[in-house]
Amino acid sequence: EDQVTQSPEALRLQEGESSSLNCSYTVSGLRGLFWYRQDPGKGPEFLFTLYSAGEEKEKERLKATLTKKESFLHITAPKPEDSATYLCAVQAGGGSNYKLTFGKGTLLTVNP
Amino acid sequence: KAGVTQTPRYLIKTRGQQVTLSCSPISGHRSVSWYQQTPGQGLQFLFEYFSETQRNKGNFPGRFSGRQFSNSRSEMNVSTLELGDSALYLCASSFSPGATGGSLHFGNGTRLTVT
Repeated sequence: EDQVTQSPEALRLQEGESSSLNCSYTVSGLRGLFWYRQDPGKGPEFLFTLYSAGEEKEKERLKATLTKKESFLHITAPKPEDSATYLCAVQAGGGSNYKLTFGKGTLLTVNP
Repeated sequence: KAGVTQTPRYLIKTRGQQVTLSCSPISGHRSVSWYQQTPGQGLQFLFEYFSETQRNKGNFPGRFSGRQFSNSRSEMNVSTLELGDSALYLCASSFSPGATGGSLHFGNGTRLTVT
């Protein structure tokens, strides 16, 4: 069974204080690993897709990386507007079951 | 272009009742997936519909059911509500079934509270 574990559960940063969020996973044949941002009262918003170990993607202050067992979401010089819950999900390849398996998320709070 | 629309946004029901939630996908999207989000379990896949047929189903009891109409709108129904069914129910749409996670567009959910 596919599993995703995110850590820490919650993270408080000061504005400008860089850090990383972790997503550990086990999956039978990775089709893709996805990062989402979720604001209170909203649905998840897609950020990145990573397909293979060694791959990196960047968007503004966010950078996602992937190894064979985990992914990191690096946040450089965060701002208060980066405060949100960050979700990681994996999708197995092959067969007809394309469901996403999500981690429970990391609640990030950036204080001004 | 309108996003995924879920109605109602909030619902309060009593244990033992049943409830129906609605999801209108993005225009042109024909696949609709449903997820349950709770603090303890996170987001869990319920089922996926395409062309009015259920294509995949998660590990939820038979009290959870859904359907899709010819215009791709989808409804999910929960019968005999339990306290543990309190959750945010999210709908996601895509052009086709089996879309990658990057192609899913989520609605803002229906917050169901069971008392």
